[in-house]
Amino acid sequence: EAGVTQFPSHSVIEKGQTVTLRCDPISGHDNLYWYRRVMGKEIKFLLHFVKESKQDESGMPNNRFLAERTGGTYSTLKVQPAELEDSGVYFCASSQSGLVKRTDTQYFGPGTRLTVL
Amino acid sequence: DAKTTQPTSMDCAEGRAANLPCNHSTISGNEYVYWYRQIHSQGPQYIIHGLKNNETNEMASLIITEDRKSSTLILPHATLRDTAVYYCIVVAFYGQNFVFGPGTRLSVLP
Repeated sequence: EAGVTQFPSHSVIEKGQTVTLRCDPISGHDNLYWYRRVMGKEIKFLLHFVKESKQDESGMPNNRFLAERTGGTYSTLKVQPAELEDSGVYFCASSQSGLVKRTDTQYFGPGTRLTVL
Repeated sequence: DAKTTQPTSMDCAEGRAANLPCNHSTISGNEYVYWYRQIHSQGPQYIIHGLKNNETNEMASLIITEDRKSSTLILPHATLRDTAVYYCIVVAFYGQNFVFGPGTRLSVLP
């Protein structure tokens, strides 16, 4: 079974440019999460999709960040325009539907390292 | 803020058991304890989780105290590849996002 995949693995852009990160969850997983780690800080939650719906986007830092999950499969996270403080590693995670389970395990992708110059 | 506290760092000799403690004194009855690790800059890797009973899988064992206020992750025979940052996370229910603390940096020494 393929794990969570993320593309690109690295991205270097200049301040003011736009970048789009992609996450492909494990097949059949309804839940998709975005997290990020900025330099020297802890991993922080950004948002959570259940299928194509945003369940919780309380961690999104500002309106320069836009996440989508069309069709409930892969997800994209767009940063427009990028700022220096957006540099960090962006992780995606997915988990199965919780219809019969009280808790589930999140499986993380390898991350996308974003550098804004 | 994370609901757990862990030592900042620990060392372990290769081949010995690594015992990583976690304090979660404010844990609620419906909260699970999850352990993940992050090797270098890779994505966090799931290790094990439990509610109140001790758990074991091919990677590790999880010992949860009877009052559930603390737990210990045990890597029975640590190898150099187990060098990583280990995170203890409490999660109340399905679909809740994880709150990561700084974790414990485990160094396995030859």
